[in-house]
Amino acid sequence: GENVEQHPSTLSVQEGDSAVIKCTYSDSASNYFPWYKQELGKRPQLIIDIRSNVGEKKDQRIAVTLNKTAKHFSLHITETQPEDSAVYFCAARKGVGNNNDMRFGAGTRLTVKP
Amino acid sequence: DSGVTQTPKHLITATGQRVTLRCSPRSGDLSVYWYQQSLDQGLQFLIHYYNGEERAKGNILERFSAQQFPDLHSELNLSSLELGDSALYFCASSAGQGKETQYFGPGTRLLVL
Repeated sequence: GENVEQHPSTLSVQEGDSAVIKCTYSDSASNYFPWYKQELGKRPQLIIDIRSNVGEKKDQRIAVTLNKTAKHFSLHITETQPEDSAVYFCAARKGVGNNNDMRFGAGTRLTVKP
Repeated sequence: DSGVTQTPKHLITATGQRVTLRCSPRSGDLSVYWYQQSLDQGLQFLIHYYNGEERAKGNILERFSAQQFPDLHSELNLSSLELGDSALYFCASSAGQGKETQYFGPGTRLLVL
């Protein structure tokens, strides 16, 4: 099955700096790559996603890049704020139509220091 | 609020017991997914149902089973519970038919003593 690796496991940055989280996947058939943010004790919430026919997507301070050849994708957060502190999960979906197999990375705990 | 509901919020039980977790997807969503999240761990995909049919299976133990009913709500049954089954169990739903974005419920925290 699909294997998703995520690095780093923890990341600490100063407020205003950028944060980058990287993920690799194993199955070249994966075609959808969402990123989720999970605050302590809460549900994961989608923050951005990208499909395999797109190389980059941006939403305000958040961007995701995808390199299909290398099978890796990254989350970039610019101008970080303390409220960005959370655990971030990448995921890769392998499936066609309504057969969805979504595998998550192990998560990155991001701490933004004021 | 994602529109996905899960009951109960908390569940405490003993080893060897059986429990049922319930999930109601967002209105109109046909797909339901179950995930297990152990303490400080990632999300382990368990199973996916679409419109009542099982569509994909992940790392789901044989002691666990799930189903999706005609009204699209889903139940996850955990039997012969072990201490290691203590975790947060999330349900997520998506519209299906090419719309893959998954919306997570608040989770059920299971504690096996």
